[in-house]
Amino acid sequence: NAGVTQTPKFRILKIGQSMTLQCAQDMNHNYMYWYRQDPGMGLKLIYYSVGAGITDKGEVPNGYNVSRSTTEDFPLRLELAAPSQTSVYFCASSFTGGGAQETQYFGPGTRLLVL
Amino acid sequence: GEDVEQSLFLSVREGDSSVINCTYTDSSSTYLYWYKQEPGAGLQLLTYIFSNMDMKQDQRLTVLLNKKDKHLSLRIADTQTGDSAIYFCAEGSGNTGKLIFGQGTTLQVKP
Repeated sequence: NAGVTQTPKFRILKIGQSMTLQCAQDMNHNYMYWYRQDPGMGLKLIYYSVGAGITDKGEVPNGYNVSRSTTEDFPLRLELAAPSQTSVYFCASSFTGGGAQETQYFGPGTRLLVL
Repeated sequence: GEDVEQSLFLSVREGDSSVINCTYTDSSSTYLYWYKQEPGAGLQLLTYIFSNMDMKQDQRLTVLLNKKDKHLSLRIADTQTGDSAIYFCAEGSGNTGKLIFGQGTTLQVKP
């Protein structure tokens, strides 16, 4: 299993540009998550999904959109990039949302710089 | 709201024990987790503890949970230079799968 994969690893965007961060998992997990990690800070949840076709906002959803058309993929869309979106973005997945199977598996992250 | 707090930095000598502390606010948390993040990498689950347990041991790792004080600690015995990383505690509750992370403790291990 590849686990959770993310592309690209690093990207520089200009203010106002848009991009999609890709995330895929091959563990047949139902739940998927997007987090951002700012320097010296913990992870903040942007959006999450409990299954294909179902998404919900996390703590910091403004400026982002997501979709979940398949179990495997959970892309994160940035429209009109702003310098405040400079961060490291992590995708994660878990089998269910309860019990020890809540354990989340993380991708390697995408570093985004908005100038 | 829910909150998880950790001290930001800990420095120890190789071979010593390290203790990383965490406090949380959500008394309904069912599981508490410790994740490790090495430079330039994603988070990796180290261990977890169910909220009705006081202690869990896993090789060099010991997790202590004081539910009354909402205090969680991670003890690493015989700390090695390869243990240098950022350690995050996180709480999870309910069936949403959502985790609340602390800001992370940077562990520096000196030879």
